[in-house]
Amino acid sequence: GAGVSQSPSNKVTEKGKDVELRCDPISGHTALYWYRQSLGQGLEFLIYFQGNSAPDKSGLPSDRFSAERTGGSVSTLTIQRTQQEDSAVYLCASSLEGRSNTGELFFGEGSRLTVL
Amino acid sequence: QKEVEQNSGPLSVPEGAIASLNCTYSDRGSQSFFWYRQYSGKSPELIMFIYSNGDKEDGRFTAQLNKASQYVSLLIRDSQPSDSATYLCAVNPAPWHMLTFGGGTRLMVKP
Repeated sequence: GAGVSQSPSNKVTEKGKDVELRCDPISGHTALYWYRQSLGQGLEFLIYFQGNSAPDKSGLPSDRFSAERTGGSVSTLTIQRTQQEDSAVYLCASSLEGRSNTGELFFGEGSRLTVL
Repeated sequence: QKEVEQNSGPLSVPEGAIASLNCTYSDRGSQSFFWYRQYSGKSPELIMFIYSNGDKEDGRFTAQLNKASQYVSLLIRDSQPSDSATYLCAVNPAPWHMLTFGGGTRLMVKP
């Protein structure tokens, strides 16, 4: 597709269950980011992938959160044993890399997670 | 201390007026600065970026950067109701790839 694709767009789960959120970046974009946005708040950085380099996981809030990126393309964010405070919109973004990059991130429409 | 600070608003301006949105950042090593617009229920989209001190104009939008004061602003001239959105300031500190976002300022342009 032309843009960043995320699924599911909405997910309602019960506390304690595991969830997986998927992101398909723009073709040719080597950098992929996950951010979290709680209601009325700004964007909180979670994790960054660039090519085959080790990901920057410095933003993951706890060891219940993990992410992987297969084949340098699709990424999955997994939240284990979900808690109510995990309720938020999870945004994926991709960008070009290199000095020609303006730094623009292209965001998907997000996955809204509600933990009951 | 938050790394990127914005007044949450709402900032209310009448149609046709100039809207001024402000942002301060804490990392003096920051190299690039971005303004994203986010409509309610939608994802952010880039509207301006600026690297050098001074002003950068693009249509009705002007970004202003003062690295000595660690301050970046966005001016919207001839504000329209369609400009009503949340404006997110983002800063690229070292390591350069990790854009840090402010909490956003909600702008309301009243007809």
